[in-house]
Amino acid sequence: QSALTQPPSASGSPGQSVTISCTGTSSDVGGYNYVSWYQQHPGKAPKLMIYEVSKRPSGVPDRFSGSKSGNTASLTVSGLQAEDEADYYCSSYAASNNLGVFGGGTKLTVL
Amino acid sequence: EVQLVQSGAEVKKPGESLEISCKGSGYSFSNYWIAWVRQMPGKGLEWMGIIFRGDSDTRYNPSFQGQVNISVDKSLSTAYLQWSSLKASDTAMYYCARPIMGRGVFISLDYWGQGTLVTVSS
Repeated sequence: QSALTQPPSASGSPGQSVTISCTGTSSDVGGYNYVSWYQQHPGKAPKLMIYEVSKRPSGVPDRFSGSKSGNTASLTVSGLQAEDEADYYCSSYAASNNLGVFGGGTKLTVL
Repeated sequence: EVQLVQSGAEVKKPGESLEISCKGSGYSFSNYWIAWVRQMPGKGLEWMGIIFRGDSDTRYNPSFQGQVNISVDKSLSTAYLQWSSLKASDTAMYYCARPIMGRGVFISLDYWGQGTLVTVSS
């Protein structure tokens, strides 16, 4: 099972919006509405930010939003803040292994 | 409060065996799956496998099948990740996490342990 494709880096200035893409196939991202996004600060465990494409767990700011079109899912962070600087990983259910698959991760820099 | 607490860092030699653990609390552990995720130094996240009650409810990423063993003791609310013969390439941070499943399909990982760093070096 190949990893989902994410850009290695993304950046934006405070207050701006940035969108991170996550491209898979019809056997994972495109076939199921089970895309999730995780934020990981250096030295910390990942944290769930978005599940089922666009749902936010309790406590996650509404500046974080998710969407999907075809085989590509996206995470948008609006009103960028310094604390949003982190690595972001997408994940999807993968029919090929009846498990999940992660993207390679995107390092978000707040300029 | 849901918590997954993992065992401490380990330093091992190649060829040695190892078992690390993940203890859940604050929820009905027996009703949920547990997942294991690897993160090699400076790299991304990789699914290793998930377990529910035991061998019949265990799924491995083919990349890890035969390389590790995942087990669970529901009476202790604890899941385990085991190696019989470590390699230097097993050096990584290992996370346990609680998968949310829908009709047997993985949806998301909503709670994570703090991670266990395993270092394998001669």
